[in-house]
Amino acid sequence: NAGVTQTPKFRVLKTGQSMTLLCAQDMNHEYMYWYRQDPGMGLRLIHYSVGEGTTAKGEVPDGYNVSRLKKQNFLLGLESAAPSQTSVYFCASSRLAGDYEQYFGPGTRLTVT
Amino acid sequence: EDQVTQSPEALRLQEGESSSLNCSYTVSGLRGLFWYRQDPGKGPEFLFTLYSAGEEKEKERLKATLTKKESFLHITAPKPEDSATYLCAVQAGGSNYKLTFGKGTLLTVNP
Repeated sequence: NAGVTQTPKFRVLKTGQSMTLLCAQDMNHEYMYWYRQDPGMGLRLIHYSVGEGTTAKGEVPDGYNVSRLKKQNFLLGLESAAPSQTSVYFCASSRLAGDYEQYFGPGTRLTVT
Repeated sequence: EDQVTQSPEALRLQEGESSSLNCSYTVSGLRGLFWYRQDPGKGPEFLFTLYSAGEEKEKERLKATLTKKESFLHITAPKPEDSATYLCAVQAGGSNYKLTFGKGTLLTVNP
């Protein structure tokens, strides 16, 4: 099992450009999440999904959109990138019931100039 | 609002020098407290889940404990490969998805 994978690993954008980050998991998990991690801030939840076709806002959703068309994939979109969105983005997934630990992908380092 | 505070921010140990990391939390009804390890340039790796005060879990040189207000991650006779950032997170009752993370403790173990 690959677990949680993310593409791309690195990306540089100019202000105003758009992009989509892809997350895929092969553990048949119901829940999926997008976080950003900034120095001195810890991990903050952007959006999450509790199942295929559902999405919801997390702690810092502004400037991002998400879609979950297939259970195994969770996409994070930036429509008009801003320098404040320079960060490392992590995707995670977890089971519906039982232990609720989240399993994380390797991250995407995004720089917006 | 759920809050997690980890201390110290950074800790340097000599190989074999045991110590503890602290995670203090406030949450409306704790469902679970999670410890993760994060290596530079990688995603967090799950270590432990603790559910109730008095619970303890061990894995190799690590032992996690939980009280009603805080959790400790004890590191016994650490090795250089234990160097990493250790993250603590809490999950509130009624929320089977949302984790609130602390900022982490950067542990460096010198040979």
